[in-house]
Amino acid sequence: DTGVSQNPRHKITKRGQNVTFRCDPISEHNRLYWYRQTLGQGPEFLTYFQNEAQLEKSRLLSDRFSAERPKGSFSTLEIQRTEQGDSAMYLCASSLEGSRYTEAFFGQGTRLTVV
Amino acid sequence: SQKIEQNSEALNIQEGKTATLTCNYTNYSPAYLQWYRQDPGRGPVFLLLIRENEKEKRKERLKVTFDTTLKQSLFHITASQPADSATYLCALDPGSSASKIIFGSGTRLSIRP
Repeated sequence: DTGVSQNPRHKITKRGQNVTFRCDPISEHNRLYWYRQTLGQGPEFLTYFQNEAQLEKSRLLSDRFSAERPKGSFSTLEIQRTEQGDSAMYLCASSLEGSRYTEAFFGQGTRLTVV
Repeated sequence: SQKIEQNSEALNIQEGKTATLTCNYTNYSPAYLQWYRQDPGRGPVFLLLIRENEKEKRKERLKVTFDTTLKQSLFHITASQPADSATYLCALDPGSSASKIIFGSGTRLSIRP
């Protein structure tokens, strides 16, 4: 257990529905990342936050995806009008950024299946 | 284009031998490079970090090298054990002002008894 918690662990949804995932990072960590991972691939960067500020969003991410981190604590990732291509593992990670050389601690991920 | 490349084919070696995994990157100038281990169905777990001004870093049976001229990192596991079987991911910061972490596709390592 890394201390990063993600809920739910699994989500099955019908195409066209909206889904929301939650990530609770390690409490003192100020940076939070979202990644998407499909079978046989490495984690693909989606977005990241420094405290409550969203610093970057991947250009690969469509407008159907949105993430928030209110008050710089937990974060949510919402996917609107889900498509079958959204099926993947969604990973959250956090780190403590005092310098640029810190490692990321990952949660167990949320596995999304769109049917 | 920017790329992080790891051996896409699985690496199978005999227990007790040294496993060597390769990470090559293109059009990045990272300040550091990291290696993670990932087991099936679980999130990646951090193993080692090496900075741009370091040539080699060791931790127990693990050794990482970083050659910024070749734009390559090598990850070694000595005296390999079946429990070392997993996917190993290379990651780096892009070297721009935004210090996000970008991952390679990983190499699956299998250690046979």
